[in-house]
Amino acid sequence: QVQLVQSGAEVKKPGASVKVSCKASGYTFTSYGISWVRQAPGQGLEWMGWISAYNGNTNYAQKLQGRVTMTTDTSTSTAYMELRSLRSDDTAVYYCARDIPGYCSGGSCYHDYGDFIPTDYWGQGTLVTVSS
Amino acid sequence: DIVMTQTPLSSPVTLGQPASISCRSSQSLVHSDGNTYLSWLQQRPGQPPRLLIYKISNRFSGVPDRFSGSGAGTDFTLKISRVEAEDVGVYYCMQATQFPHRAFGQGTKVEIK
Repeated sequence: QVQLVQSGAEVKKPGASVKVSCKASGYTFTSYGISWVRQAPGQGLEWMGWISAYNGNTNYAQKLQGRVTMTTDTSTSTAYMELRSLRSDDTAVYYCARDIPGYCSGGSCYHDYGDFIPTDYWGQGTLVTVSS
Repeated sequence: DIVMTQTPLSSPVTLGQPASISCRSSQSLVHSDGNTYLSWLQQRPGQPPRLLIYKISNRFSGVPDRFSGSGAGTDFTLKISRVEAEDVGVYYCMQATQFPHRAFGQGTKVEIK
């Protein structure tokens, strides 16, 4: 069965960095993408970005450009999300979700949906608390 | 960017009665391939989101048939035919047409009266 297992809770000081992992199992990791979504306390869902597990292409939400980096390690079927220069309003639960594959070129991203279903499986979430 | 707007934001429902949630997108979600990539997600208290419906009306694996989705273009609806206690939580619509960006509605809280 498809599973996404995330790393444990983190407490960080303002200005620090955090790296959250998302280990996938039960499917061919490189055949899909991974989206990262966060949820501040009591708030809704905010899309952070997407990475292709096949070729490492990424696309980030504009508001996080320059502070976020998403990577994958295909040898361990693990996706990573690193967020730098943390602020108090980065306090949130961070989720990874399996998403459709695709590629990016010249600033645009392309895909072939086929039978893929967007964000069909989600990790359990990782609480990141930013506090001095 | 596409903006998703849900109504109502809160829906108190009597057990066994129906519930309905509306979602409107700021632009058409019809993709160039002819499909409309509008999904519905459920988030129970303390749990991660769970996919219920994709491409407007397709129930995901294991989703009870009391959940149904409908709509077209920019206006979509999630219906629960008979609300059960386990349906309490927040429901989000999500657009997946504009790849790879995902945009979510604000969420609708379903609670038992």
